[in-house]
Amino acid sequence: GAGVSQTPSNKVTEKGKYVELRCDPISGHTALYWYRQSLGQGPEFLIYFQGTGAADDSGLPNDRFFAVRPEGSVSTLKIQRTERGDSAVYLCASSPGLHTGELFFGEGSRLTVL
Amino acid sequence: AQRVTQPEKLLSVFKGAPVELKCNYSYSGSPELFWYVQYSRQRLQLLLRHISRESIKGFTADLNKGETSFHLKKPFAQEEDSAMYYCALSASGNTPLVFGKGTRLSVIA
Repeated sequence: GAGVSQTPSNKVTEKGKYVELRCDPISGHTALYWYRQSLGQGPEFLIYFQGTGAADDSGLPNDRFFAVRPEGSVSTLKIQRTERGDSAVYLCASSPGLHTGELFFGEGSRLTVL
Repeated sequence: AQRVTQPEKLLSVFKGAPVELKCNYSYSGSPELFWYVQYSRQRLQLLLRHISRESIKGFTADLNKGETSFHLKKPFAQEEDSAMYYCALSASGNTPLVFGKGTRLSVIA
């Protein structure tokens, strides 16, 4: 089957605009994670879902960031009033169980805020 | 708080030479440690985990709780090992992975 799919692969936007990034996990995977990777850094945890609910959103940097997973499958990361500092690669990963450590990553969505 | 430190941003070795990618962690409990790898133009993927105590692609890693380290080793580097390597930690297997900043391994022919 297909791996984790993320769209768009690239997004260029202007400061202040609203952005949505989508993640389609591997079918049957109950856990879904969002990470952010800035240049020269490792992936930084943002939020994870177990099923439909956000089990831990402690990594979201501020209230401009929000994520949903309404049906327990596809997830959308939403960023309001984007800032230049939001520019990064946003990685989504899914896992068959919670905190197994084996994450299946997507190719990422590269966000550039001008 | 958990923290993972990879002191080398770049490591260059000749083909056939031994490789050691360093990883140190900060966590007072019983961690679970992992190595992830990202080859050029590929997605990040799991290489190995300490609880499996297995060798993957010739790589091994031993958890040293006394030194709080989980170094990745391979006796003879191959050109196809060139990639970005990330060490990651889960606190007692109950939290999302915390990643280090990564080390780029370059194997020179």
